[in-house]
Amino acid sequence: DVKVTQSSRYLVKRTGEKVFLECVQDMDHENMFWYRQDPGLGLRLIYFSYDVKMKEKGDIPEGYSVSREKKERFSLILESASTNQTSMYLCASSNDRDTFYEQYFGPGTRLTVT
Amino acid sequence: GEDVEQSLFLSVREGDSSVINCTYTDSSSTYLYWYKQEPGAGLQLLTYIFSNMDMKQDQRLTVLLNKKDKHLSLRIADTQTGDSAIYFCAGLGPGGSYIPTFGRGTSLIVHP
Repeated sequence: DVKVTQSSRYLVKRTGEKVFLECVQDMDHENMFWYRQDPGLGLRLIYFSYDVKMKEKGDIPEGYSVSREKKERFSLILESASTNQTSMYLCASSNDRDTFYEQYFGPGTRLTVT
Repeated sequence: GEDVEQSLFLSVREGDSSVINCTYTDSSSTYLYWYKQEPGAGLQLLTYIFSNMDMKQDQRLTVLLNKKDKHLSLRIADTQTGDSAIYFCAGLGPGGSYIPTFGRGTSLIVHP
């Protein structure tokens, strides 16, 4: 059973703080993704990675960076958190060998920036 | 790129059928998906359909694909309160893309 875990379910940070969101998957998946979910806007892709040390910008990368030093771990970094980054953050992974590219999601981290 | 649209809310009575609709723009989409998000959880794949199929049935779920109108629907028979969730339609483009484009999600509320 694929498991995607995220380091925190809830996080409260102050404006200007550096924030790390961690995601770990246990199924040796090549691809990993970070989304943010906001009411009425659905899921928006921030960054994705198709291999260790590789990263690609998604639709809304501004204000974020990522790190993938190991295959199972994908980190999202907010260099200087702002209130408009208050959101639910979802991590996902998928497998290149999967013919229909199912994405497996973590439970999400609800980040509040005050 | 792909654009996926779906209505934001649907309310039904327990025992009735629910139909959630979705339209997409990219006629060359290879796979179309329905994901379900229960309260406080991440998304989970509910079902998918390959673009050369018109219909797929899986227990209480029926997916209909109208390629001409670029319309996808999910029918849930005998809807239960446990079906209350957000349902996301998503499409996967061709050309080796492995990243689906998600709609905004439809909140299904099931009344007892």
